Amino acid sequence: GQQLNQSPQSMFIQEGEDVSMNCTSSSIFNTWLWYKQDPGEGPVLLIALYKAGELTSNGRLTAQFGITRKDSFLNISASIPSDVGIYFCAGRPGNTGKLIFGQGTTLQVKP
Amino acid sequence: DTAVSQTPKYLVTQMGNDKSIKCEQNLGHDTMYWYKQDSKKFLKIMFSYNNKELIINETVPNRFSPKSPDKAHLNLHINSLELGDSAVYFCASSQGKKRGGLNEQFFGPGTRLTVL
Repeated sequence: GQQLNQSPQSMFIQEGEDVSMNCTSSSIFNTWLWYKQDPGEGPVLLIALYKAGELTSNGRLTAQFGITRKDSFLNISASIPSDVGIYFCAGRPGNTGKLIFGQGTTLQVKP
Repeated sequence: DTAVSQTPKYLVTQMGNDKSIKCEQNLGHDTMYWYKQDSKKFLKIMFSYNNKELIINETVPNRFSPKSPDKAHLNLHINSLELGDSAVYFCASSQGKKRGGLNEQFFGPGTRLTVL
């Protein structure tokens, strides 16, 4: 089946640093999404991308839909302690609601 | 005013038992989903219902049976629970009829199922 490779698996950074994570796929996706999951909670949508090449920001977060439609990245600028959590990419391969999730990137921020 | 709610939050049970998890959304969405998150945090879709009709049914043992009495509710019943069923189960919903609606899934807080 289709899989997403998300990297890095984990990151431990200093407060104020910028963070970058990405997702790649062997097949094309029509939509890329980025979610954040806090401990004991469900994933929360951060950014949705609908067109190849699209670059979208949400506060300190910026995400891009790769031109090949097989990848996406998420950047977090000037990280703060509340950025801690697991970040998931997700792709929609067809026209149903089915989402395929990456393995997640666990982010830890040292104050 | 919780958007997507699930009950129970925690469920501990013995192998072989039958259990149900309930999900309700008050967002007016017409599509609901069940996901399973394993111990490595990997999220995988199990089922999806649109207006009470099953539209996604992944390779899931038939011990798992979803039921949608109306478009605001999607329950998950699990028969003959096994150790490997231990996981966190998330319900989600989305509005399927407008651009982006199929994608912007809102997740519930999860139900942590532990099978002993």
